[in-house]
Amino acid sequence: IQMTQSPSSLSASVGDRVTITCRASHGISNYLVWYQQKPGKVPKLLIYAASTLQSGVPSRFSGSGSGTDFTLTISSLQPEDVATYYCQKYDSAPLTFGGGTKVEIK
Amino acid sequence: EVRLVESGGGLVHPGGSQRLSCAVSGFTFSDYAMTWVRQVPGKGLEWVSSITGSGSSTFYADSVDGRFTISRDNSKNTLYLQMNSLRAEDTAIYYCAKDLTYVLTGFDSWGQGTLVTVSS
Repeated sequence: IQMTQSPSSLSASVGDRVTITCRASHGISNYLVWYQQKPGKVPKLLIYAASTLQSGVPSRFSGSGSGTDFTLTISSLQPEDVATYYCQKYDSAPLTFGGGTKVEIK
Repeated sequence: EVRLVESGGGLVHPGGSQRLSCAVSGFTFSDYAMTWVRQVPGKGLEWVSSITGSGSSTFYADSVDGRFTISRDNSKNTLYLQMNSLRAEDTAIYYCAKDLTYVLTGFDSWGQGTLVTVSS
């Protein structure tokens, strides 16, 4: 069971719209979460059930998708969004993570 | 405030054993599934094992199945990971994490992690 994220890294300007994709090797309905991990910090849950924003997460973050293809979008990139982002499936064990996408500011 | 505090990490020889603990507070422990996730410093996240709220069901990554055992003591608000037959590739920071619900979901709270180093 594979979760493939792309790109593995990206560099964008402040204010840009950023899109990260996650593809599951088989259908997982909407059983997908997204995490943000800033350097030296523990992961933070951003989105669950593919598109539900976790409490306290800024509205510039959004998620979409179902089945095998999912997207995390940052509508206007901010300096504090520099981090690595991970998707993870939870339809059934194993709860596989994607390989991560490192987001930097250009 | 939800708190998860791991302990038990350290240096262990290949083939050895180690038990990690995760003491929690700030929520009704038995109402939530719990999970161990590991991360080699500078690398990605790897799911290791999960246990349902009652402890009746457990789940393992293929890489640790048969060597690691997850358990919980709901009376002590503590999660455990017994690690046997340790290998160099088990070297990582081990995080305990609280699931969103009683069963397997995403993880909305994480401990700060404990480093396990397997080396001779």
